[in-house]
Amino acid sequence: AAGVIQSPRHLIKEKRETATLKCYPIPRHDTVYWYQQGPGQDPQFLISFYEKMQSDKGSIPDRFSAQQFSDYHSELNMSSLELGDSALYFCASSGRSTGRNEQFFGPGTRLTVL
Amino acid sequence: KQEVTQIPAALSVPEGENLVLNCSFTDSAIYNLQWFRQDPGKGLTSLLLIQSSQREQTSGRLNASLDKSSGRSTLYIAASQPGDSATYLCAVMNSGGYQKVTFGTGTKLQVIP
Repeated sequence: AAGVIQSPRHLIKEKRETATLKCYPIPRHDTVYWYQQGPGQDPQFLISFYEKMQSDKGSIPDRFSAQQFSDYHSELNMSSLELGDSALYFCASSGRSTGRNEQFFGPGTRLTVL
Repeated sequence: KQEVTQIPAALSVPEGENLVLNCSFTDSAIYNLQWFRQDPGKGLTSLLLIQSSQREQTSGRLNASLDKSSGRSTLYIAASQPGDSATYLCAVMNSGGYQKVTFGTGTKLQVIP
């Protein structure tokens, strides 16, 4: 079965640079979520999209932005990177219209900021 | 603000034991609760999803229960195996603006052969 795809899997950036993370949800899933997981921490919800519209917002810094495109893939744009942005970034997708809203996670993108 | 706590934070058991992991949440207005496992440095694997109207779900050796009124869920693992060693996370999806999800603090399980 198709799973959530994230790219790149690993990313190394310098401070103050920008980064773009991509997420391709499971086919026919209409909702995408982004999470940040720091070392030894539980995942923190950043933002979600339903049918290409932002539906909820968590602890996402103003330096970050995200959007969902017409093909339902989503991108998380991170600017003015800081050392503290180093983390695993997960994308999850769900089929909200099914009524279950079960989330399926991608493998994550490991971002290292030097 | 929803807060989700998991007890214990770490657990070490011999192979073959049955065990219970606990998840508590402060806001009972939930849409669903989902249990995940996470291996070190890896993604999250969905184990069980319980809708707010359900009391329990079972999959193989796993059984998850939900008591919304008391703000609790338990994950029961029968006949534990070394391959069950991982961190187990519960995640609560709130029902108002219900796509916001709060993760618990996790239970790190080690099953000793």
